[in-house]
Amino acid sequence: ETGVTQSPTHLIKTRGQQVTLRCSSQSGHNTVSWYQQALGQGPQFIFQYYREEENGRGNFPPRFSGLQFPNYSSELNVNALELDDSALYLCASSGGRSGGASWASTDTQYFGPGTRLTVL
Amino acid sequence: AQSVSQHNHHVILSEAASLELGCNYSYGGTVNLFWYVQYPGQHLQLLLKYFSGDPLVKGIKGFEAEFIKSKFSFNLRKPSVQWSDTAEYFCAVNAPTGNQFYFGTGTSLTVIP
Repeated sequence: ETGVTQSPTHLIKTRGQQVTLRCSSQSGHNTVSWYQQALGQGPQFIFQYYREEENGRGNFPPRFSGLQFPNYSSELNVNALELDDSALYLCASSGGRSGGASWASTDTQYFGPGTRLTVL
Repeated sequence: AQSVSQHNHHVILSEAASLELGCNYSYGGTVNLFWYVQYPGQHLQLLLKYFSGDPLVKGIKGFEAEFIKSKFSFNLRKPSVQWSDTAEYFCAVNAPTGNQFYFGTGTSLTVIP
């Protein structure tokens, strides 16, 4: 176990709805990354948050948005759900650096169990 | 954009056989390289990573990987697999100047006792 938790475990939504997924980071970590993993594929990077600000983004539309809170937990919000959004959503936390420095790309990411989203 | 290719989608080996899983990436600059593993019913976890120094990297559970810059490859190896190595293996790449991770599609390894 990594100490990274995600909720809910499973979720079923209909097309056009909005969804919020939650992630609690491992203690001491201040960076959270979110990934989408479709069936039979590797994780696709959505975005990363460091100290409550977006710190990098993959090739996902603006209807995918996020938040990071002062306790470093995080939310992933997806608006106007589409059928292709059905996937396992993973969050990963990592230890950022103190001071003003950004996340270190060599930091190990610790993954949560994921939230399985089904869009009907 | 970077991409990561894992050529072996599904590998089946008998216990004690040697393992090599291929990983190639497309990016012309300096990269950090990772192998992650997902055992059945468990979270993704790091096996090993390379970001500088000796191109032969040793990880947990007897795994190692060799970075060959000229071939843009980072193949994973283990001399003798065990049944408990049955899992999904993912290669991942990022550039030190960027905050994006690129994962391959994964290789499913089944080890037969």
